[in-house]
Amino acid sequence: DQQVKQNSPSLSVQEGRISILNCDYTNSMFDYFLWYKKYPAEGPTFLISISSIKDKNEDGRFTVFLNKSAKHLSLHIVPSQPGDSAVYFCAATPNNAGNMLTFGGGTRLMVKP
Amino acid sequence: DGGITQSPKYLFRKEGQNVTLSCEQNLNHDAMYWYRQDPGQGLRLIYYSQIVNDFQKGDIAEGYSVSREKKESFPLTVTSAQKNPTAFYLCATGPVGYNSPLHFGNGTRLTVT
Repeated sequence: DQQVKQNSPSLSVQEGRISILNCDYTNSMFDYFLWYKKYPAEGPTFLISISSIKDKNEDGRFTVFLNKSAKHLSLHIVPSQPGDSAVYFCAATPNNAGNMLTFGGGTRLMVKP
Repeated sequence: DGGITQSPKYLFRKEGQNVTLSCEQNLNHDAMYWYRQDPGQGLRLIYYSQIVNDFQKGDIAEGYSVSREKKESFPLTVTSAQKNPTAFYLCATGPVGYNSPLHFGNGTRLTVT
């Protein structure tokens, strides 16, 4: 049973517009959430995280929103740039799991010039 | 310059042979992890270690073995018992005990024919 789900396998956005990537989770013990960006044949790189005590965290063009009651988080990228084209993974971990991450299946973002 | 290094980047083996993937880190983190990525899928945890000389099975440990003789090193052996060994293997490292992003290596693509 997938505890972290990214229901959109791909997303295409025009350069300069907003990209919204979504992630749902089922495990109510998750309390730390992360987004990673991955290029082909490379390891994932950390993008932004959020703790369950917050509902929003912002870092430059990237904002993560957490809705605990809906068990849903989203990543907003504004404005989107062609260099943002990559696969984005949502990940989560419970407080007592020592950073052992459970990943979603990923969403491939394509930003068109 | 601290980091996590996986080698080799590409590895080819014949079916029935064991193969060992290398992972070394100099970030001084206690925990190390092995994940597997298959095309179009997320990352699945194979094994993890939070301290030297100790390691735990992840979600898909069957057909794999690991060792943690040194803090810096966490090699993964893909044995002939692994039914579908062809995949992209990712090693990660991070602290234990508090929420912090994992740092990933650039991966090893293993092809078994």
